[in-house]
Amino acid sequence: GAVVSQHPSWVICKSGTSVKIECRSLDFQATTMFWYRQFPKQSLMLMATSNEGSKATYEQGVEKDKFLINHASLTLSTLTVTSAHPEDSSFYICSARDRVKSSYNEQFFGPGTRLTVL
Amino acid sequence: GNSVTQMEGPVTLSEEAFLTINCTYTATGYPSLFWYVQYPGEGLQLLLKATKADDKGSNKGFEATYRKETTSFHLEKGSVQVSDSAVYFCALRTSGNQFYFGTGTSLTVIP
Repeated sequence: GAVVSQHPSWVICKSGTSVKIECRSLDFQATTMFWYRQFPKQSLMLMATSNEGSKATYEQGVEKDKFLINHASLTLSTLTVTSAHPEDSSFYICSARDRVKSSYNEQFFGPGTRLTVL
Repeated sequence: GNSVTQMEGPVTLSEEAFLTINCTYTATGYPSLFWYVQYPGEGLQLLLKATKADDKGSNKGFEATYRKETTSFHLEKGSVQVSDSAVYFCALRTSGNQFYFGTGTSLTVIP
């Protein structure tokens, strides 16, 4: 149980295009999903917290107009990198918190999406 | 502020060797502490956790003790296996449910 998937697992795009990354909780409902960014040999940095049916909360320094987050259902959150540039190339990881087990505050992580912008 | 510092890798060990990966933290309040493991091509998996001082988390032969006096949560295993090769992340979770991760330590175990 508690499986989180991400799609695609890797994507290459041209500079200036937009890329959408999906995060799904496969066997549980997630009231809250989190989006992280991981640079090579660096830690995961929280970008934003996404609550189902409401606007995402972005961390300081994260451009909300560039990284659009939509949490339309209890099992799906999407991150859209708009007008991507090479400096947006990174590993994006989502995590989800189980609605039923939210009192445990445990987050389940997806496998990540490798974005390369040419 | 809140932060996690863990030893830099990569770490290479022979099978059955003893493993220690150091982790120290700074935090306001009383955080919970975690070790996550990331196998190649996979997401982070919770390895073990401790929610208060002096708690010991353990799983799959790995152990870590929440040391408030030294603000540490070092990961140990007495005898590593090739299958333990992965990247290990130390993390803390604040009372506000925000996670802070270390930079990860890559472990390679050779037969």
